[in-house]
Amino acid sequence: EVQLVESGGGLVQPGRSLKLSCAASGFTFSNYYMAWVRQAPKKGLEWVATISTSGSRTYYPDSVKGRFTISRDNAKSSLYLQMNSLKSEDTATYYCARNGYNRWYFDYWGQGVMVTVSS
Amino acid sequence: IQMTQSPSLLSASVGDRVTLSCKAGQNINNYLAWYQQKLGEAPKLLIYNANSLQTGIPSRFSGSGSGTDFTLTISSLQPEDVATYFCQQYNSWTAFGGGTKLELK
Repeated sequence: EVQLVESGGGLVQPGRSLKLSCAASGFTFSNYYMAWVRQAPKKGLEWVATISTSGSRTYYPDSVKGRFTISRDNAKSSLYLQMNSLKSEDTATYYCARNGYNRWYFDYWGQGVMVTVSS
Repeated sequence: IQMTQSPSLLSASVGDRVTLSCKAGQNINNYLAWYQQKLGEAPKLLIYNANSLQTGIPSRFSGSGSGTDFTLTISSLQPEDVATYFCQQYNSWTAFGGGTKLELK
């Protein structure tokens, strides 16, 4: 059974940093692109970052480019999101998601972790 | 690529045939997915490549369309289908629609 379990969320002040983790199990982690998707309270879904199987290629929308860094450790079947210079608009539930095979839809999602940016 | 879903809120009765719409700002070559999100839960993939049913999803869900106009159909609405539904294009990077909230009448 595919499982994705996020951790590392919490309350952080504007301008500070936070690192999220996602532990994967039930599939060969190194064979799949992985991603982070967020959802602000009572809002829609927003793609945040994607990483290739080896970690050599990363992709970000303009809203987080230069502030967020996605990474992975295939030996540990783990995905990470380093978030720097956090803003109030980054407040959201952050989901770890597995990319579908060779495509950028998301076939499995974690339960999500809440990040609140507030002074 | 801008994704527009309509309506934003839909009320229907159990047993109804329900149709949700998603329009892309440009041709997305059928690289479209649909997700269901129940209150307090993570999204769940229903349909990918516009019309392929994800494993384990009931056959009352179906997807259709091509180019820029896409539809998610629930053939006979069940109480457990109350949720918000999102479409997503993945032809050019990726983007989600704003969602359609489906409630029981």
